[in-house]
Amino acid sequence: EAQVTQNPRYLITVTGKKLTVTCSQNMNHEYMSWYRQDPGLGLRQIYYSMNVEVTDKGDVPEGYKVSRKEKRNFPLILESPSPNQTSLYFCASSLSIGDYGYTFGSGTRLTVV
Amino acid sequence: GQNIDQPTEMTATEGAIVQINCTYQTSGFNGLFWYQQHAGEAPTFLSYNVLDGLEEKGRFSSFLSRSKGYSYLLLKELQMKDSASYLCAVRDLDGQNFVFGPGTRLSVLP
Repeated sequence: EAQVTQNPRYLITVTGKKLTVTCSQNMNHEYMSWYRQDPGLGLRQIYYSMNVEVTDKGDVPEGYKVSRKEKRNFPLILESPSPNQTSLYFCASSLSIGDYGYTFGSGTRLTVV
Repeated sequence: GQNIDQPTEMTATEGAIVQINCTYQTSGFNGLFWYQQHAGEAPTFLSYNVLDGLEEKGRFSSFLSRSKGYSYLLLKELQMKDSASYLCAVRDLDGQNFVFGPGTRLSVLP
């Protein structure tokens, strides 16, 4: 089944403790992206990657890191999480061109206390 | 800059027709997308417009006017399961980035 797999689905952590949210897609998509979704603010892009070893900042990159060592994987790293990073996170992938929308992962609800 | 506007909430009755509007001002344009998102779930792709006009897909249709920076999503024969948020998103000129609107929460009442 074509899908984007995110893990974990739920995570509660403490301020300053490094964490990684994994994202993997099995559709051979070139383009992958991370979003956070907060009430009243909609989906805001954190980072995106157009292909292996190519990553770029989105609208809200501060406090986050990503890597794209393989085409299928695009992990999101929070080196020192803070409470303002409490949010619902989505990974998404798509073919690079054409009338293709995103395929989204199931989401990761992160709480930083 | 990028700005996308949608109504925050709408209510409609089962079996009715509802139109959800989206206006956008973006620095580049390479397509407009509509997504449906049920509470606590991931968004799912509904429709895509890149040229002016109406695209029909079953009970859902989407319209685009590029000169007006305007789109709408039309939902016919509403069902209770259509209660969800509907997100409008614009893809930029490079074709790589999507900017999302805040979403419209639709409640379908019996």
